[in-house]
Amino acid sequence: KAGVTQTPRYLIKTRGQQVTLSCSPISGHRSVSWYQQTPGQGLQFLFEYFSETQRNKGNFPGRFSGRQFSNSRSEMNVSTLELGDSALYLCASSLLPSGSATDTQYFGPGTRLTVL
Amino acid sequence: SQQGEEDPQALSIQEGENATMNCSYKTSINNLQWYRQNSGRGLVHLILIRSNEREKHSGRLRVTLDTSKKSSSLLITASRAADTASYFCATVTTHYGGATNKLIFGTGTLLAVQP
Repeated sequence: KAGVTQTPRYLIKTRGQQVTLSCSPISGHRSVSWYQQTPGQGLQFLFEYFSETQRNKGNFPGRFSGRQFSNSRSEMNVSTLELGDSALYLCASSLLPSGSATDTQYFGPGTRLTVL
Repeated sequence: SQQGEEDPQALSIQEGENATMNCSYKTSINNLQWYRQNSGRGLVHLILIRSNEREKHSGRLRVTLDTSKKSSSLLITASRAADTASYFCATVTTHYGGATNKLIFGTGTLLAVQP
């Protein structure tokens, strides 16, 4: 099976712009979670989608949004970019909803976003 | 916010030695997981231990869980240079009242194995 793929791998944007990141989960996985990783804050949970519904959301401003399509592919969007949004954005997929008793998440390689 | 705090933050050992990392968490959990991350890449799932389990093994990995102390440890035996990575614990908290569970990661331990 192919692993989780994320596109693009690297992105450079300027303040005020918006960005869309894409994640394709492992075939058959219906749960997709997004995380932001920075040196200062570590791994922070953004949101999770399961069967096209947002199931859970972390403590991020409304500038961060996402969606999931019927084929389980997911996108996250960040509008009005700020310097502090520079981070590695990781997507993970799992067969069951995140937090299930036997949940195992499979991570993609991440998208490195730099905001100038 | 972080659920898990890992200790130590950084660890440097020689190849062949054992490496022990600890994780403490704050609330009741369903399970605890350990992940590895090689420099700037995605995370790889290592092992999952349920709240009713005390110890689990997988190859050179041994994980213990003490729910009374809200802590877990990851032991890597006979370490290799390829084990150099960051290691994260992640917990699935027990939520009541309809709130959905989610996976919360700790702060990580950076392990360097010197050849």
